[in-house]
Amino acid sequence: QLVLTQSPSASASLGASVKLTCTLSSGHSSYAIAWHQQQPEKGPRFLMRLNSDGSHTKGDGIPDRFSGSSSGSERYLTISSLQSEDEGDYYCQTWGTAIRVFGGGTKLTVL
Amino acid sequence: QVHLVESGGGLVKPGGSLRLSCAASGFTFHDYYMTWVRQAPGKGLEWVSYITSAGTFTNDADSVKGRFTISRDNARNSLYLQMSSLRAEDTAVYYCARESFSRGTYLLDYWGQGTLVTVSS
Repeated sequence: QLVLTQSPSASASLGASVKLTCTLSSGHSSYAIAWHQQQPEKGPRFLMRLNSDGSHTKGDGIPDRFSGSSSGSERYLTISSLQSEDEGDYYCQTWGTAIRVFGGGTKLTVL
Repeated sequence: QVHLVESGGGLVKPGGSLRLSCAASGFTFHDYYMTWVRQAPGKGLEWVSYITSAGTFTNDADSVKGRFTISRDNARNSLYLQMSSLRAEDTAVYYCARESFSRGTYLLDYWGQGTLVTVSS
């Protein structure tokens, strides 16, 4: 069964960096994922597509502060030079046979 | 630029029906798969349904199978979600999203702003 696992919460200080993790279930380590950001009281926004080899393609207008990387079944989103507007929920998403799957989301707090 | 605008949400009684619409612009609508995603209050994102570019194939999450129907009108650049036998647990903000195909994978790359559906007596 295709499942994406995310830690429920993360925090980091203003100006620092943070690395969020999305883990693919066993047998699905070759899958690409997408990262989506949801700021408080707003709809989601596509951040990037992240492939198993770590290559990634960002969405329109996504700052260079956002980057992605991969290792085995883990997909990472790194946000550097954290700003207050980076606070919100971050979801990973992938695609299975005729289904789409979301991780449970990580709530990022900028201290 | 790509623009997706949902409409049709509102308050409906349990067992009732509602039809959501999503108006698309800024891209060649008939070239893309489309998806509905929902978010219950205080919860995460949940995939609901998707439809292929020509509308020839659809699939739904188990939680809505047999009650919700996704459809599209490529001449009108519009996506729809017909919801019936609604339950309290269907209360959520419903988003439409465009799917982008690359390297064998369909990923959501544009989202609408959402429309709220409340199921309550």
